Amino acid sequence: KAGVTQTPRYLIKTRGQQVTLSCSPISGHRSVSWYQQTPGQGLQFLFEYFSETQRNKGNFPGRFSGRQFSNSRSEMNVSTLELGDSALYLCASSSVPRYDTEAFFGQGTRLTVV
Amino acid sequence: GENVEQHPSTLSVQEGDSAVIKCTYSDSASNYFPWYKQELGKGPQLIIDIRSNVGEKKDQRIAVTLNKTAKHFSLHITETQPEDSAVYFCAASSGSARQLTFGSGTQLTVLP
Repeated sequence: KAGVTQTPRYLIKTRGQQVTLSCSPISGHRSVSWYQQTPGQGLQFLFEYFSETQRNKGNFPGRFSGRQFSNSRSEMNVSTLELGDSALYLCASSSVPRYDTEAFFGQGTRLTVV
Repeated sequence: GENVEQHPSTLSVQEGDSAVIKCTYSDSASNYFPWYKQELGKGPQLIIDIRSNVGEKKDQRIAVTLNKTAKHFSLHITETQPEDSAVYFCAASSGSARQLTFGSGTQLTVLP
């Protein structure tokens, strides 16, 4: 069974640009969550999607957005990139959107903003 | 919101010794506490979890204990091996705050 797939693995963008990251959950999983990982702030929750609906959102500015498609694949978008957006962006999928259901993480997308 | 503190930030042990990582949380409503292991270049992987109706859970060399009164939980790894070297994260969540709140991580190094 294939795991969570995130593309691309690495990205370099210029300040002010926008970026879109993609996540394909484990087959059959319908809940997708996104996290930002930085050395300074650690792992922080961005948002959660289930059945194409955002169910929960973390404390991030509106420049961070996401969506989920009918096949459960998800994308997140960051507009007007800032240097501080450089991070590892992790996607996690779960079979159901319960708070105590195992979350399976992908390998992440390493975003560097220059 | 929830706040999870994790200690120590780095931990070195000799192969075969035990390792203990401790976390405290602030939200008394939290009732799910997973532990993740993250190896270099990989995403976090769940290694064990515990729910608030259980005080201790064990899986081979790994065990987790939970003290709800004191709001702290700990990861215990016995008979450590070099492949246990990684960053370990604790986390907490609840039915009301469904997202995982993570601790700051512990870099565990097992010396051969």
